[in-house]
Formats: sequence, structure tokens, C-alpha cells
Amino acid sequence: QKEVEQDPGPLSVPEGAIVSLNCTYSNSAFQYFMWYRQYSRKGPELLMYTYSSGNKEDGRFTAQVDKSSKYISLFIRDSQPSDSATYLCAMSAAGFQKLVFGTGTRLLVSP
Amino acid sequence: GAVVSQHPSWVICKSGTSVKIECRSLDFQATTMFWYRQFPKQSLMLMATSNEGSKATYEQGVEKDKFLINHASLTLSTLTVTSAHPEDSSFYICSARAGTDQTLAKNIQYFGAGTRLSVL
Repeated sequence: QKEVEQDPGPLSVPEGAIVSLNCTYSNSAFQYFMWYRQYSRKGPELLMYTYSSGNKEDGRFTAQVDKSSKYISLFIRDSQPSDSATYLCAMSAAGFQKLVFGTGTRLLVSP
Repeated sequence: GAVVSQHPSWVICKSGTSVKIECRSLDFQATTMFWYRQFPKQSLMLMATSNEGSKATYEQGVEKDKFLINHASLTLSTLTVTSAHPEDSSFYICSARAGTDQTLAKNIQYFGAGTRLSVL
């Protein structure tokens, strides 16, 4: 079993839809949770990060962490075609430098 | 803030030659830098972790004599692919993590735009 599980998709939605992206994990030591967006042939771009449990909102993006369920989510409101990309979840334990990545979910937003 | 510059973005070389890729943190000091390799439609695979002034720590299965990493300053790390062969063709990405005395969030890695290496 992988430490971080993420559905690879693709997830296809119409423009304006609310998108829900999720990851589950098995390591209870993870405390830092990140979402990155990666366009084709580009490096990952940090979208959101959360320490421990709770919600965080930034514009159209909301990140949620439920440590009791070992489940994290990224919500995208009013999705746009420019949101079409691969979304990677990543996490790490305190004091550990390495990030553990999900496989990435490919999102396609159609006009 | 937190800009990481990676150069070149694309390089084509002949088999047997060496290629150097640079990774710079432009607006913060990166005590730790990471090098990843990514195959099409796959996630990032960590190759090595480098701390400024120290030897890099390579992941299992990564040949340290083939992938030379230098992290000589707090803003620059280089990856040299020595005697490149077609199987080394891939997308290489660096990331940087700020030191603990800086305002950037801890445990967050900021990524470069990546380098596409094609070995003929």
C-alpha cells in the first residue's frame, strides 16, 4: 500500500463546476499538507499548504485536512479552463525534509 | 516571493556528453535543495537531497557518480548528468526549501520550471 493514495483521473468537469480533489494517507506522523498544480512540461506550483488539521481558503481554492480520517481535499470553485492541469497532493512529517507525493489527478475543465 | 529559477528549460545532447542543470533560489536562501525526475504521466521521483556545503544524499537506486550534485551556495545547486545516454532522457525538476530562520513556511518546497533533457 502506498503512503499516499490519489486517484489519477482524468476528472472532466464543465466550466463553472465545483471540483473536489482528494488524497488519503496512511502515515499518522504527517503534519504538513500541500497541494501543487502542474501544467504539462512545467514544474509544480504551490497552491495551498496546511499545517495539521483544519481548513484554509485562498480565493477559489479551499484546502481541508481531516487527520482523524487521514484524508485531505482541495476544492476549486467556479472552475475555469485554465485550471486544467495535474494536481498533486504532498505531505511531510515534522522535522523530515522529504515530501511524499500522490500520483496526481489530471483535471480537465471544458468551456 | 519564493521564486526558484531552473536553467536550461530544454537541452538536447549527444550520447556520451555531460549536461549541467542549474537551480537558483532568487529571493530566499535555500539551505536544502532537492532534485527530482519525472517520467510522462507519473509523479515526481526524488533523486537526491542536498544541503548547502554538504555532500548530497542520494535515494536508493540513483547513481551518484552519474548524477553529480553540487550545492556550493545558499542560492545555487547544480545537477550534472555525466556521460548521458538515451535512457537518461527525462524531465528533471529541482526544488528549494528555505532555512528555518526565514519567513517562508517550513517544510514547503518551491519548485523550478523543470528541464527537459533529450539524449540522442
